[in-house]
Amino acid sequence: GENVEQHPSTLSVQEGDSAVIKCTYSDSASNYFPWYKQELGKRPQLIIDIRSNVGEKKDQRIAVTLNKTAKHFSLHITETQPEDSAVYFCAAIHNTGGFKTIFGAGTRLFVKA
Amino acid sequence: NAGVTQTPKFQVLKTGQSMTLQCAQDMNHNSMYWYRQDPGMGLRLIYYSASEGTTDKGEVPNGYNVSRLNKREFSLRLESAAPSQTSVYFCASSVAGGANTEAFFGQGTRLTVV
Repeated sequence: GENVEQHPSTLSVQEGDSAVIKCTYSDSASNYFPWYKQELGKRPQLIIDIRSNVGEKKDQRIAVTLNKTAKHFSLHITETQPEDSAVYFCAAIHNTGGFKTIFGAGTRLFVKA
Repeated sequence: NAGVTQTPKFQVLKTGQSMTLQCAQDMNHNSMYWYRQDPGMGLRLIYYSASEGTTDKGEVPNGYNVSRLNKREFSLRLESAAPSQTSVYFCASSVAGGANTEAFFGQGTRLTVV
């Protein structure tokens, strides 16, 4: 069945360093790949997304890259700050009307001041 | 504009009891979802409603039922609660499916079944 694998499960970085979270997906028909951030005790919120017709998207310190051939995509956070500490989820969604969003298991990011 | 509102925020049930989690959205979204979140397992889809009047099973539907009462409201029912259903439940909504599936989540319901 459809599957999204996310690595690492835990990531600890020093403030100012970069953080990279990687995801792979199994359904080649997936064409929308959002990333959600969930702060402790709060709801997940979308931070960036990418569609299959582009290979990279950037929004300030956050960027996402997509390799459709290899079926993997990554989240890059540069110049990390303590407020980036949270759980990050990747997801893959089937094309044209798909509703079964499959989430990765999440990455808990710790940014040490 | 409240977004997605879930009730209750916390609930403790005894094994075998039933309850309904309520969810309402005021964003005029077509699609609504129920997820459960367990440590180390991410967010797993229980049921979804692509549009008013339709519901479909997600990854983990066993032990749950849903009702799309109208466009705004989507409820989740546990008929006979089990300890394995202890989890945090999130309701979400989106404009539609596919690439319009940015999900807006409620604040979550922490359910404990003893």
